[in-house]
Amino acid sequence: AQSVTQLGSHVSVSEGALVLLRCNYSSSVPPYLFWYVQYPNQGLQLLLKYTTGATLVKGINGFEAEFKKSETSFHLTKPSAHMSDAAEYFCAVTLNSGGYQKVTFGTGTKLQVIP
Amino acid sequence: ETGVTQSPTHLIKTRGQQVTLRCSSQSGHNTVSWYQQALGQGPQFIFQYYREEENGRGNFPPRFSGLQFPNYSSELNVNALELDDSALYLCASSLGIPIYEQYFGPGTRLTVT
Repeated sequence: AQSVTQLGSHVSVSEGALVLLRCNYSSSVPPYLFWYVQYPNQGLQLLLKYTTGATLVKGINGFEAEFKKSETSFHLTKPSAHMSDAAEYFCAVTLNSGGYQKVTFGTGTKLQVIP
Repeated sequence: ETGVTQSPTHLIKTRGQQVTLRCSSQSGHNTVSWYQQALGQGPQFIFQYYREEENGRGNFPPRFSGLQFPNYSSELNVNALELDDSALYLCASSLGIPIYEQYFGPGTRLTVT
């Protein structure tokens, strides 16, 4: 069975500091990996995705993530936090098996940006 | 290009009742997925429809059922509502399978009393 673990339900960083949000997954086959952002009272917006190919993927708003198969990780980073980055971030795994798909989300990490 | 829309925005129901939530997918998208997001939790996958057929299901009981129409809009039906069904229900649309990108609607907030 696949699962997603996000370490730290709350992360605080200073404006301009590095953002690092952690995501580890378990899957018996190579998964597709995603990061989404959710602002209060809104749906989820895709930040970036890994399907195949280059393991370092760049997304919107200056975010990037690196797929590390040996560590089963897909951590999200941004070099310099902005106040508008304050939101909740979700890591997700999609497993395709026999034409069926199952999507598993992590429990989320709330990012607070301190001025 | 029209994004994903959901209706209603908010809904209050009583335990034991039935509810239908609606989703219009983004133009050109033929796959719709439904998620339940309880307060303070990540979205939980309910099921997915591709070209009007169920193409995947999470760990939800049969009283959660769905439908996808020829225009690819979708409904989520929940029978015999329980208090724990109170949550934000999210719909996401995408083009084809496997899913590379999903576009989420704003959600329907369901409260069961």
